[in-house]
Amino acid sequence: AQTVTQSQPEMSVQEAETVTLSCTYDTSESDYYLFWYKQPPSRQMILVIRQEAYKQQNATENRFSVNFQKAAKSFSLKISDSQLGDAAMYFCAYRSAPWVDSNYKLTFGKGTLLTVNP
Amino acid sequence: ETGVTQTPRHLVMGMTNKKSLKCEQHLGHNAMYWYKQSAKKPLELMFVYSLEERVENNSVPSRFSPECPNSSHLFLHLHTLQPEDSALYLCASSQDRGQGTNYGYTFGSGTRLTVV
Repeated sequence: AQTVTQSQPEMSVQEAETVTLSCTYDTSESDYYLFWYKQPPSRQMILVIRQEAYKQQNATENRFSVNFQKAAKSFSLKISDSQLGDAAMYFCAYRSAPWVDSNYKLTFGKGTLLTVNP
Repeated sequence: ETGVTQTPRHLVMGMTNKKSLKCEQHLGHNAMYWYKQSAKKPLELMFVYSLEERVENNSVPSRFSPECPNSSHLFLHLHTLQPEDSALYLCASSQDRGQGTNYGYTFGSGTRLTVV
């Protein structure tokens, strides 16, 4: 079974600065998808960024980018120019590619609580 | 209305009560999920429905009973719950086949359940 580990329970960053959240995962599969979700106090989980394992290029979405190291099984999230609205719980998640495993399951880490200081 | 909508937002129930959680998705997705989110624990998958058919049940106690009458609606029927069942229950949907497939989930805002 796959596991996802987020080793930083809490992180803080000054507004306008850059922060990196860590995520590692364990799998024997070669094809899979990785996600970062954000959960603000409103509780809704919002997809931040998505990476296909078969793509070497790191995904980017505006101020959010990832550093995907497939051999190291590492998937970190970098937030540039941090804003007060970025404060939330961030979850890293793993999903097998359906042609590898028809399991629909999204496996989550325990999350990192990000505080943004003004 | 768009996205995934969950009702009620908050629910307090006694251990002998019967209640239901409702989830509705307006995205045309073909799979729906129930997750349980407890403090200090990873999100736990409870049930998966694909094309209205249950495809996974992660050893969830029978006091939780899902129902998926069509591809847009998902219910979680609750009865004789325990205090340790208090948690945030999240519904999600995804498009897993055909046009628009991206394998990511869209979540609702959850129902905060407290069992007293």
